[in-house]
Amino acid sequence: QVQLVESGGGVVQPGRSLRLSCATSGFTFSVYALHWVRQAPGKGLEWVAFISYDGNTEYYADSVKGRFTISRDNSKNTLDLHMSGLRGEDTAVYYCARSDSGPYLYWGQGTLVTVSS
Amino acid sequence: EIMMTQSPATLSVSPGDTATLSCRASQSVGNNLAWYQQKPGQAPRLLISRASTRATGIPARFSGSGSGTEFSLTISSLQSEDFAVYYCQQYNKWPFTFGPGTKVDIK
Repeated sequence: QVQLVESGGGVVQPGRSLRLSCATSGFTFSVYALHWVRQAPGKGLEWVAFISYDGNTEYYADSVKGRFTISRDNSKNTLDLHMSGLRGEDTAVYYCARSDSGPYLYWGQGTLVTVSS
Repeated sequence: EIMMTQSPATLSVSPGDTATLSCRASQSVGNNLAWYQQKPGQAPRLLISRASTRATGIPARFSGSGSGTEFSLTISSLQSEDFAVYYCQQYNKWPFTFGPGTKVDIK
């Protein structure tokens, strides 16, 4: 079955960096676009970043542009999100999600990132 | 950026009743509209895509309608497991945007 498992979350000081990973299985990784979506505590969903199936196209939310970088390794079936210059407002559960021609049919369980001194 | 609004923010419904949730886009998104259900501590679950197509395994009591800028999600004969937060999302134009959610709770 399709699985997406995020890791790498934790507590990090403002201004520091953190790398999240999403390990996948159960589907042909290299043909699907992938996204990161986050959810601040008690808040709604916010799309963060997109990467095309081949890694050649990336899009970012304005709130993270220039600070976050999405990448993928189609040989290892993994998706990453490198986050730098972290701010308090980046505190959230981060989900990786598989795009099925737009909407997200499959999600990971999420990993919590807390930005605090 | 396309702004998505949802109403009401909270909907109190009795089990067995019908709930109708609304979603509005600030500009036309065609039928590129999805609905998700989220329960506490869980990832969102896709219910509806293309405004009205139920995802695999989603019960028939969930139905979506609308196009352009006005959409609705109807949950018929509410079951106990349907009390949750519901989000709409447009995927017609970057950035993909979500509505703020409607919480369906027990009356």
